[in-house]
Amino acid sequence: EAQVTQNPRYLITVTGKKLTVTCSQNMNHEYMSWYRQDPGLGLRQIYYSMNVEVTDKGDVPEGYKVSRKEKRNFPLILESPSPNQTSLYFCASSSMTWRRGAYEQYFGPGTRLTVT
Amino acid sequence: GENVEQHPSTLSVQEGDSAVIKCTYSDSASNYFPWYKQELGKRPQLIIDIRSNVGEKKDQRIAVTLNKTAKHFSLHITETQPEDSAVYFCAASSNDYKLSFGAGTTVTVRA
Repeated sequence: EAQVTQNPRYLITVTGKKLTVTCSQNMNHEYMSWYRQDPGLGLRQIYYSMNVEVTDKGDVPEGYKVSRKEKRNFPLILESPSPNQTSLYFCASSSMTWRRGAYEQYFGPGTRLTVT
Repeated sequence: GENVEQHPSTLSVQEGDSAVIKCTYSDSASNYFPWYKQELGKRPQLIIDIRSNVGEKKDQRIAVTLNKTAKHFSLHITETQPEDSAVYFCAASSNDYKLSFGAGTTVTVRA
C-alpha cells in the first residue's frame, strides 16, 4: 500500500529537549516536505527536499533541521524545542515526474507536538 | 515568495446548496493550483487541481475556475452533502510541487 508514515503521532516534551519526528514514504517520490498546521494559518512549509542530500528552507524554517540521506526518509529535527513550536506537523511527498496525478502531494497522518 | 489568500475562513451552507471558496495569489509565475480537503482529525487529501492553461475543470459535484489575469481561482461545490463538511485548502505553485497554501476554509453543511 502506497503511504507516508510519521512517528510519533503524539509527543509531549519539555523546552530544550532535542527530538526527531520521522517520516518515510514507499512511493519512490523525489519530493518530500514538512509543514506545520496552526489554527487560522493553514499549512506552512518548514523545509523541503527534491532529492537525496538536497534540502531547502520553506517559509518557516527557524528552529528546525532536516536531513535526506535516503530517498524514502526525511526526518524533522528540533534541536531545542520551544513552546511556539507546539503544533500539528505533516510530512508529505510527491513525484516530480509528470504523469496523470503525478503532482499530488501525499500527506502523512500528522504528529501533534506539545512543548511545555 | 508566493502569498495565497483564501476567503471565507468559515462557510455554513444548507444541505443541497452550493458552496464557493475563493483564493488569490501574488506570484504571476504560478501555474498549478490544487485544492485539498481535510476532514476532522485526518490528513489533507487532493480533491481537484487545475493548471494555468485551463480556465475551468469539473469532477462530479466539484469544479475549479481560474482567472490568471486577476490572479484568483475558486472552488465550487454543488448539491452539498454532509460528507462535504471539512476544511478546504487552496494552494499555488510555480513548479508543480512546492506548494504555498491558503489559510483554509471550514465548511459546515447543515442538514
